[in-house]
Amino acid sequence: QKEVEQNSGPLSVPEGAIASLNCTYSDRGSQSFFWYRQYSGKSPELIMFIYSNGDKEDGRFTAQLNKASQYVSLLIRDSQPSDSATYLCAVNMRGTSYGKLTFGQGTILTVHP
Amino acid sequence: DARVTQTPRHKVTEMGQEVTMRCQPILGHNTVFWYRQTMMQGLELLAYFRNRAPLDDSGMPKDRFSAEMPDATLATLKIQPSEPRDSAVYFCASGPDNQETQYFGPGTRLLVL
Repeated sequence: QKEVEQNSGPLSVPEGAIASLNCTYSDRGSQSFFWYRQYSGKSPELIMFIYSNGDKEDGRFTAQLNKASQYVSLLIRDSQPSDSATYLCAVNMRGTSYGKLTFGQGTILTVHP
Repeated sequence: DARVTQTPRHKVTEMGQEVTMRCQPILGHNTVFWYRQTMMQGLELLAYFRNRAPLDDSGMPKDRFSAEMPDATLATLKIQPSEPRDSAVYFCASGPDNQETQYFGPGTRLLVL
């Protein structure tokens, strides 16, 4: 079992729809969770981080964390073609150094007009 | 606009040659990370520094890879000798000491023939 798992996709949604990206992690003691977006040929850029159970909203993005079920998700409302990218989930695992992140393989999102 | 910078952006070399990649972290950031990204393996952590001291290099092949921080404004990743399987994009990231967020540089795209 991989430590951080994501469905590789591609996930295809129409413009204006809600895109839902999911991530599960193996270590129940993990404390910090991050979502990065990576455009083709570019470097990952931080979108959001979440530490507590529940929802955290930032503009069109909402991160959801459920530690009991060991999953974290990212919702993108009113999806735009410019949201088409690979979305990487990253987790700071229990027992690892502060700041050390384990990344999932990423989910490719395509938003079509 | 503070950014992580990396040089070179592209490198083509022949098997057996030495490759040195450089990274300038964001001023004031005390943690520096080196990652390698391939289609097959995704984003893998190679080495991790805090306040210039190496904290974790467990992801790095020790026989041919080395990472150093000669000073707070420069991190280096060296491969000697290089092999075709080292072909990948190498990212440097930095972060402030009191946060787990990481900011990525543009990457060095390495091709070993």
